[in-house]
Amino acid sequence: GAGVSQSPSNKVTEKGKDVELRCDPISGHTALYWYRQSLGQGLEFLIYFQGNSAPDKSGLPSDRFSAERTGGSVSTLTIQRTQQEDSAVYLCASSLFLSSVYGYTFGSGTRLTVV
Amino acid sequence: EDKVVQSPLSLVVHEGDTVTLNCSYEVTNFRSLLWYKQEKKAPTFLFMLTSSGIEKKSGRLSSILDKKELFSILNITATQTGDSAVYLCAVEAVGNAGNMLTFGGGTRLMVKP
Repeated sequence: GAGVSQSPSNKVTEKGKDVELRCDPISGHTALYWYRQSLGQGLEFLIYFQGNSAPDKSGLPSDRFSAERTGGSVSTLTIQRTQQEDSAVYLCASSLFLSSVYGYTFGSGTRLTVV
Repeated sequence: EDKVVQSPLSLVVHEGDTVTLNCSYEVTNFRSLLWYKQEKKAPTFLFMLTSSGIEKKSGRLSSILDKKELFSILNITATQTGDSAVYLCAVEAVGNAGNMLTFGGGTRLMVKP
């Protein structure tokens, strides 16, 4: 597609439920990143995929968080047993392997609210 | 651990003022520094800087990188209310799994009429 697409744009869930967030990167971009932005905070790195390499999961805050990327394209971030502190905007970005002069392209994010 | 620090945390100016936003960093295997403007949810790209001392300019915005002192500044001249946003600085580094971005906490700019 023309840009990075994320869905849903907004998600309200009850504490304890599982949620799945989807990211569809720009076609041909081999690198895909998930970030989290809590209210008033900067962007917090969660996980990074590069081609077929093992993902860098160093930013995942707990074992309730996981992500996969199927076929080197679409990625799903799953949060199990959601907690109120998981409420945030989850942003996905993609880039060419060698980051282009245009940097990284971000999706519009998913606003997750855990009630 | 890679670190990016932005200052000030927030800034309130009047239209027409000039502002300077700061970004300092400590990273291993530096590749580039990027500036983003975030108004709603998704940051939009402003500049990518890789070389010291070369100013990048786009309209009223300009930025420069100092790789010796490990910082960058973003200047906005003749500010307008539409410049109100959070400005994010990110540093790209080469890691074992590939390139990584570390973001600063952002500077929240408010431009009053």
